[in-house]
Amino acid sequence: DAKTTQPPSMDCAEGRAANLPCNHSTISGNEYVYWYRQIHSQGPQYIIHGLKNNETNEMASLIITEDRKSSTLILPHATLRDTAVYYCIVSANTDKLIFGTGTRLQVFP
Amino acid sequence: EAGVTQFPSHSVIEKGQTVTLRCDPISGHDNLYWYRRVMGKEIKFLLHFVKESKQDESGMPNNRFLAERTGGTYSTLKVQPAELEDSGVYFCASSQDRGIPLLFFGSGTQLSVL
Repeated sequence: DAKTTQPPSMDCAEGRAANLPCNHSTISGNEYVYWYRQIHSQGPQYIIHGLKNNETNEMASLIITEDRKSSTLILPHATLRDTAVYYCIVSANTDKLIFGTGTRLQVFP
Repeated sequence: EAGVTQFPSHSVIEKGQTVTLRCDPISGHDNLYWYRRVMGKEIKFLLHFVKESKQDESGMPNNRFLAERTGGTYSTLKVQPAELEDSGVYFCASSQDRGIPLLFFGSGTQLSVL
Protein backbone atom coordinates (compact mmCIF):
# COMPACT_ATOMS: atom_id res chain seq x y z
CA ASP A 1 0.00 0.00 0.00
CA ALA A 2 1.07 3.57 -0.66
CA LYS A 3 2.52 5.35 2.37
CA THR A 4 1.28 8.78 1.38
CA THR A 5 -1.98 10.71 1.50
CA GLN A 6 -2.86 13.29 -1.14
CA PRO A 7 -6.03 15.23 -1.94
CA PRO A 8 -7.83 13.57 -4.86
CA SER A 9 -8.09 16.74 -6.93
CA MET A 10 -7.07 20.38 -7.10
CA ASP A 11 -7.61 23.30 -9.46
CA CYS A 12 -5.18 26.05 -10.33
CA ALA A 13 -5.39 29.09 -12.57
CA GLU A 14 -2.90 29.30 -15.39
CA GLY A 15 0.12 31.40 -14.43
CA ARG A 16 -0.43 30.94 -10.72
CA ALA A 17 1.57 28.71 -8.42
CA ALA A 18 0.22 25.22 -7.86
CA ASN A 19 0.92 23.88 -4.38
CA LEU A 20 0.30 20.16 -4.05
CA PRO A 21 0.40 18.77 -0.50
CA CYS A 22 1.37 15.28 0.59
CA ASN A 23 1.28 13.64 4.00
CA HIS A 24 3.75 10.88 4.79
CA SER A 25 3.61 10.66 8.57
CA THR A 26 5.15 7.18 8.74
CA ILE A 27 8.20 7.99 6.63
CA SER A 28 11.41 6.29 7.74
CA GLY A 29 14.78 7.96 8.07
CA ASN A 30 16.17 6.35 4.93
CA GLU A 31 13.16 7.03 2.72
CA TYR A 32 13.14 9.72 0.07
CA VAL A 33 10.13 11.69 -1.11
CA TYR A 34 9.58 11.45 -4.87
CA TRP A 35 7.13 13.27 -7.09
CA TYR A 36 6.02 11.95 -10.45
CA ARG A 37 3.22 12.99 -12.72
CA GLN A 38 1.22 11.29 -15.42
CA ILE A 39 -0.15 13.37 -18.22
CA HIS A 40 -3.09 11.69 -19.89
CA SER A 41 -2.13 8.47 -21.72
CA GLN A 42 1.61 9.01 -21.25
CA GLY A 43 4.00 7.17 -18.94
CA PRO A 44 4.73 8.65 -15.52
CA GLN A 45 7.31 11.42 -15.56
CA TYR A 46 9.84 12.09 -12.83
CA ILE A 47 9.61 15.60 -11.38
CA ILE A 48 11.79 15.90 -8.30
CA HIS A 49 12.89 14.11 -5.15
CA GLY A 50 14.36 14.94 -1.76
CA LEU A 51 15.42 13.49 1.56
CA LYS A 52 15.17 16.32 4.08
CA ASN A 53 16.31 19.52 2.45
CA ASN A 54 14.17 21.59 0.14
CA GLU A 55 14.95 20.99 -3.51
CA THR A 56 14.43 22.95 -6.70
CA ASN A 57 14.92 22.09 -10.34
CA GLU A 58 13.72 23.44 -13.66
CA MET A 59 10.31 21.86 -13.22
CA ALA A 60 9.36 22.42 -9.61
CA SER A 61 10.29 22.98 -5.99
CA LEU A 62 9.91 20.48 -3.18
CA ILE A 63 9.38 21.71 0.36
CA ILE A 64 9.78 19.08 3.08
CA THR A 65 8.77 19.90 6.65
CA GLU A 66 11.40 19.66 9.34
CA ASP A 67 9.82 16.54 10.84
CA ARG A 68 9.57 15.08 7.31
CA LYS A 69 5.98 14.05 7.86
CA SER A 70 4.67 16.12 4.99
CA SER A 71 5.82 17.89 1.86
CA THR A 72 4.57 20.25 -0.81
CA LEU A 73 5.31 20.23 -4.50
CA ILE A 74 5.27 23.70 -6.00
CA LEU A 75 4.83 24.41 -9.68
CA PRO A 76 5.69 28.12 -9.69
CA HIS A 77 3.81 29.17 -12.82
CA ALA A 78 1.33 26.51 -13.81
CA THR A 79 0.44 26.11 -17.49
CA LEU A 80 -2.32 24.15 -19.17
CA ARG A 81 0.27 21.48 -19.99
CA ASP A 82 0.75 20.85 -16.27
CA THR A 83 -2.72 19.33 -16.06
CA ALA A 84 -1.97 15.78 -14.90
CA VAL A 85 -2.16 13.36 -12.01
CA TYR A 86 0.63 14.05 -9.52
CA TYR A 87 1.99 11.24 -7.39
CA CYS A 88 3.86 11.66 -4.12
CA ILE A 89 5.86 8.53 -3.29
CA VAL A 90 8.14 7.64 -0.40
CA SER A 91 10.75 5.00 -0.97
CA ALA A 92 14.06 3.80 0.41
CA ASN A 93 17.13 3.59 -1.78
CA THR A 94 16.63 0.19 -3.26
CA ASP A 95 12.88 -0.16 -3.02
CA LYS A 96 10.49 -0.14 -5.90
CA LEU A 97 8.22 2.87 -6.27
CA ILE A 98 4.65 2.30 -5.08
CA PHE A 99 2.12 4.59 -6.72
CA GLY A 100 -0.98 5.71 -4.84
CA THR A 101 -4.05 7.43 -6.21
CA GLY A 102 -2.34 10.81 -6.59
CA THR A 103 -3.80 14.29 -7.00
CA ARG A 104 -5.53 15.21 -10.21
CA LEU A 105 -4.44 18.79 -10.95
CA GLN A 106 -6.58 20.73 -13.38
CA VAL A 107 -5.06 23.97 -14.64
CA PHE A 108 -7.66 26.29 -16.12
CA PRO A 109 -7.25 29.37 -18.34
CA GLU B 1 19.58 10.14 -26.04
CA ALA B 2 16.68 7.81 -26.73
CA GLY B 3 14.22 7.24 -23.92
CA VAL B 4 12.54 4.04 -22.87
CA THR B 5 10.73 2.54 -25.82
CA GLN B 6 7.93 0.02 -25.73
CA PHE B 7 6.46 -2.14 -28.46
CA PRO B 8 3.73 -2.39 -29.50
CA SER B 9 1.93 0.75 -28.42
CA HIS B 10 -1.41 -1.06 -28.68
CA SER B 11 -2.37 -4.72 -28.80
CA VAL B 12 -5.81 -6.22 -29.16
CA ILE B 13 -6.09 -9.98 -28.65
CA GLU B 14 -8.72 -12.53 -27.81
CA LYS B 15 -8.97 -14.31 -24.52
CA GLY B 16 -6.72 -17.34 -24.49
CA GLN B 17 -4.18 -15.94 -26.93
CA THR B 18 -0.59 -15.08 -26.17
CA VAL B 19 0.90 -11.60 -26.27
CA THR B 20 4.50 -10.48 -25.85
CA LEU B 21 5.36 -6.94 -24.88
CA ARG B 22 8.82 -5.55 -25.39
CA CYS B 23 10.74 -2.85 -23.58
CA ASP B 24 14.02 -1.25 -24.58
CA PRO B 25 15.48 0.66 -21.65
CA ILE B 26 17.72 3.68 -21.84
CA SER B 27 21.20 2.55 -22.82
CA GLY B 28 23.36 1.90 -19.79
CA HIS B 29 20.48 1.51 -17.37
CA ASP B 30 20.91 -1.68 -15.39
CA ASN B 31 17.55 -1.44 -13.65
CA LEU B 32 14.38 -2.27 -15.55
CA TYR B 33 10.87 -2.27 -14.10
CA TRP B 34 7.47 -3.37 -15.32
CA TYR B 35 4.29 -1.74 -14.03
CA ARG B 36 0.71 -1.91 -15.16
CA ARG B 37 -2.47 0.05 -14.75
CA VAL B 38 -5.77 -1.71 -15.16
CA MET B 39 -8.93 0.32 -15.73
CA GLY B 40 -9.79 2.53 -12.79
CA LYS B 41 -6.99 1.23 -10.61
CA GLU B 42 -3.63 2.53 -9.48
CA ILE B 43 -0.35 1.94 -11.24
CA LYS B 44 0.91 -1.35 -9.84
CA PHE B 45 4.47 -2.67 -9.68
CA LEU B 46 5.04 -6.01 -11.40
CA LEU B 47 8.76 -6.71 -11.24
CA HIS B 48 12.28 -5.34 -11.21
CA PHE B 49 15.34 -6.55 -13.09
CA VAL B 50 18.91 -5.68 -12.24
CA LYS B 51 20.74 -6.48 -15.45
CA GLU B 52 19.43 -9.94 -16.38
CA SER B 53 18.46 -10.98 -12.84
CA LYS B 54 15.02 -10.65 -11.30
CA GLN B 55 15.52 -8.54 -8.20
CA ASP B 56 11.89 -8.43 -7.15
CA GLU B 57 8.96 -10.13 -8.82
CA SER B 58 6.53 -9.77 -5.96
CA GLY B 59 4.00 -7.91 -8.09
CA MET B 60 3.57 -10.51 -10.80
CA PRO B 61 -0.11 -11.47 -10.62
CA ASN B 62 0.18 -15.16 -11.52
CA ASN B 63 2.13 -17.70 -13.54
CA ARG B 64 0.51 -16.64 -16.79
CA PHE B 65 2.96 -13.74 -16.79
CA LEU B 66 6.59 -14.37 -17.73
CA ALA B 67 9.22 -11.64 -17.87
CA GLU B 68 12.68 -12.07 -19.31
CA ARG B 69 15.70 -9.90 -19.83
CA THR B 70 18.26 -12.01 -21.61
CA GLY B 71 21.65 -10.33 -21.82
CA GLY B 72 20.55 -7.53 -19.57
CA THR B 73 19.39 -5.30 -22.39
CA TYR B 74 15.79 -5.31 -23.58
CA SER B 75 13.03 -7.11 -21.71
CA THR B 76 9.91 -8.97 -22.75
CA LEU B 77 6.73 -9.59 -20.82
CA LYS B 78 4.66 -12.48 -22.10
CA VAL B 79 1.09 -13.16 -21.07
CA GLN B 80 -0.04 -16.70 -21.86
CA PRO B 81 -2.94 -17.33 -21.98
CA ALA B 82 -4.38 -13.85 -21.75
CA GLU B 83 -7.53 -13.26 -19.69
CA LEU B 84 -10.00 -10.39 -19.77
CA GLU B 85 -8.69 -8.95 -16.50
CA ASP B 86 -5.23 -8.56 -18.03
CA SER B 87 -6.44 -5.58 -20.05
CA GLY B 88 -4.73 -2.36 -19.15
CA VAL B 89 -1.66 -0.28 -19.83
CA TYR B 90 1.71 -1.90 -19.24
CA PHE B 91 4.55 0.48 -18.47
CA CYS B 92 8.24 -0.19 -18.53
CA ALA B 93 10.77 1.99 -16.74
CA SER B 94 14.53 2.01 -16.38
CA SER B 95 17.06 3.66 -14.10
CA GLN B 96 20.78 3.83 -13.58
CA ASP B 97 22.37 2.08 -10.63
CA ARG B 98 22.82 5.18 -8.48
CA GLY B 99 21.34 3.83 -5.28
CA ILE B 100 18.09 5.72 -5.68
CA PRO B 101 15.31 4.69 -8.04
CA LEU B 102 14.94 7.59 -10.47
CA LEU B 103 12.75 5.89 -13.00
CA PHE B 104 12.27 6.92 -16.60
CA PHE B 105 9.08 5.49 -18.03
CA GLY B 106 8.10 4.51 -21.52
CA SER B 107 4.78 5.46 -23.06
CA GLY B 108 3.27 2.11 -22.30
CA THR B 109 1.52 -0.67 -24.19
CA GLN B 110 -2.26 -0.56 -24.18
CA LEU B 111 -3.41 -4.20 -24.01
CA SER B 112 -7.01 -5.06 -24.73
CA VAL B 113 -8.15 -8.64 -24.21
CA LEU B 114 -11.54 -9.35 -25.78
